[in-house]
Amino acid sequence: AQKVTQAQTEISVVEKEDVTLDCVYETRDTTYYLFWYKQPPSGELVFLIRRNSFDEQNEISGRYSWNFQKSTSSFNFTITASQVVDSAVYFCALSEKRDDKIIFGKGTRLHILP
Amino acid sequence: DTEVTQTPKHLVMGMTNKKSLKCEQHMGHRAMYWYKQKAKKPPELMFVYSYEKLSINESVPSRFSPECPNSSLLNLHLHALQPEDSALYLCASSPWGQSSSGANVLTFGAGSRLTVL
Repeated sequence: AQKVTQAQTEISVVEKEDVTLDCVYETRDTTYYLFWYKQPPSGELVFLIRRNSFDEQNEISGRYSWNFQKSTSSFNFTITASQVVDSAVYFCALSEKRDDKIIFGKGTRLHILP
Repeated sequence: DTEVTQTPKHLVMGMTNKKSLKCEQHMGHRAMYWYKQKAKKPPELMFVYSYEKLSINESVPSRFSPECPNSSLLNLHLHALQPEDSALYLCASSPWGQSSSGANVLTFGAGSRLTVL
């Protein structure tokens, strides 16, 4: 069965610090997709990134970067120079090709302190 | 503005009431989803409609009844709910139907916060 583990329940950092959110996944499929979603206090989940299992290139988008390592089954997310607006719950998620259902990790609540 | 619109934003109902949650998208997406999210928990999948047909029901109690009148609309009919059903109900849509690809990116609405008294 597929599984997503976000071991960090809650993180607090001071604004402008860098912060990394960890995500470890389990799957028996060779074809799968990994996602990160952000849920601000307003409640709406916002899509951040999708990676497929065949593409291990790291990705950078502005202050956000993602490190995908199949060898350790990890898909970590780093925010550089954090800002108060980054405060939210961040979910890592996994979808396997065979059933196309997104399974979310438990989420990491990130507090950026001014 | 969110591209998936959910109404109402807040709903309070008694255990004997019948109410409905509504969701609308105009992105031409062919799959629509209902998720339930309890406080400090991840979203849990309830139903998936693919090309207006129910494709996934995650063993949801019959007091929750989904309906997809057309490709842009998704309803969740509520009847005889229990206090433990109080939660944030999130609607989402994705470009493709249930395609066995796993690649679908979901666009979520802001949710309907339901309180059952």
